[in-house]
Amino acid sequence: SQQGEEDPQALSIQEGENATMNCSYKTSINNLQWYRQNSGRGLVHLILIRSNEREKHSGRLRVTLDTSKKSSSLLITASRAADTASYFCATVYNQGGKLIFGQGTELSVKP
Amino acid sequence: NAGVTQTPKFQVLKTGQSMTLQCAQDMNHEYMSWYRQDPGMGLRLIHYSVGAGITDQGEVPNGYNVSRSTTEDFPLRLLSAAPSQTSVYFCASSYRVITYNSPLHFGNGTRLTVT
Repeated sequence: SQQGEEDPQALSIQEGENATMNCSYKTSINNLQWYRQNSGRGLVHLILIRSNEREKHSGRLRVTLDTSKKSSSLLITASRAADTASYFCATVYNQGGKLIFGQGTELSVKP
Repeated sequence: NAGVTQTPKFQVLKTGQSMTLQCAQDMNHEYMSWYRQDPGMGLRLIHYSVGAGITDQGEVPNGYNVSRSTTEDFPLRLLSAAPSQTSVYFCASSYRVITYNSPLHFGNGTRLTVT
């Protein structure tokens, strides 16, 4: 399978703490994307990082990409209860027009 | 813009029945795709289309057919439903072909149960 692997599968933190989620993948990629899914809803795009980029920021989100280790991390700083959701990484491989998702990390932020 | 619209929201089928899940987008997006989401499996790509008249298989295409006669619509057909097709189905679209760094826009899903 070309799926990315996410770690941890579940994460529970207190409001105000930082949350870090990791994603590993298998072969060369064109870009890596992070999505968020609230319970019962469709996924929402958060951030895209290209294969030639190492770090990207968007508000409280920071994404890093290490192509030598075939891994990425998503950091959410100063988390809020509203950040409670599932987070997925997805990779676009250089061969073909497919976006392949990992299994996701379920984040719970307690007030 | 309505974005990506999926119908129906819920559906119950008996084994062997056929049905079509509808997906429409009003953003003039070139790329459209169908995923299924099962517990512990993440999202798996069923079929995708890079433009009207062009479709291709994803990771789990068996048991599903698609067509893309217009830019706006990308229906997913289940020819003979099986209990293994019980899942939540998501349609997603993108402005450009996915390799051009375009993010996906998702619909809210169709929850399908096959008994």
